[in-house]
Amino acid sequence: GQSLEQPSEVTAVEGAIVQINCTYQTSGFYGLSWYQQHDGGAPTFLSYNALDGLEETGRFSSFLSRSDSYGYLLLQELQMKDSASYFCAVRADSNYQLIWGAGTKLIIKP
Amino acid sequence: GAVVSQHPSRVICKSGTSVKIECRSLDFQATTMFWYRQFPKQSLMLMATSNEGSKATYEQGVEKDKFLINHASLTLSTLTVTSAHPEDSSFYICSARAPDRGETQYFGPGTRLLVL
Repeated sequence: GQSLEQPSEVTAVEGAIVQINCTYQTSGFYGLSWYQQHDGGAPTFLSYNALDGLEETGRFSSFLSRSDSYGYLLLQELQMKDSASYFCAVRADSNYQLIWGAGTKLIIKP
Repeated sequence: GAVVSQHPSRVICKSGTSVKIECRSLDFQATTMFWYRQFPKQSLMLMATSNEGSKATYEQGVEKDKFLINHASLTLSTLTVTSAHPEDSSFYICSARAPDRGETQYFGPGTRLLVL
């Protein structure tokens, strides 16, 4: 089967750095995406990695290692508004369908 | 960024009625739209992939006669939940992508369906 594993919950302090890991097992691989979803809202796109390495966009960075079937989302200078669920998703075929992880709930404490 | 709208945002209906949800890409042409459902505190479950002008591709376990999808134009896809039952109550979300906008899927705000 195809699966993505990510922690169910992560807790961090405001201003700190947090890393959310994602490992995947899929029949094919085109790239790894990260989405943010606040309670009651729809997912919003954060990043996409097709090649190995680190992609930085402001306070958020995303990393991919295809040989390890592993990626992570790094959030720096955490703000209370970053409290949300974060989903990793793999594009596994040419149809652009995404296979989703179960999501990581990020709890930020003052 | 690209904008995707969904209508209605919330609907309450009686068991046995049909509900139509619209998904529109407002400032780009969406060659592909995806329909998801999400139960509380769970991940998104892909229901079907909709390509403009062709029949939708449904995921295993999703009844195509119950969840009717129409993608009549490059900016509009509709999902009709026919003869809705309480177990169909969920958060339905559409997303859209365009060939000239890379890998990003742009999500609508979602429709919360409650079937009584």
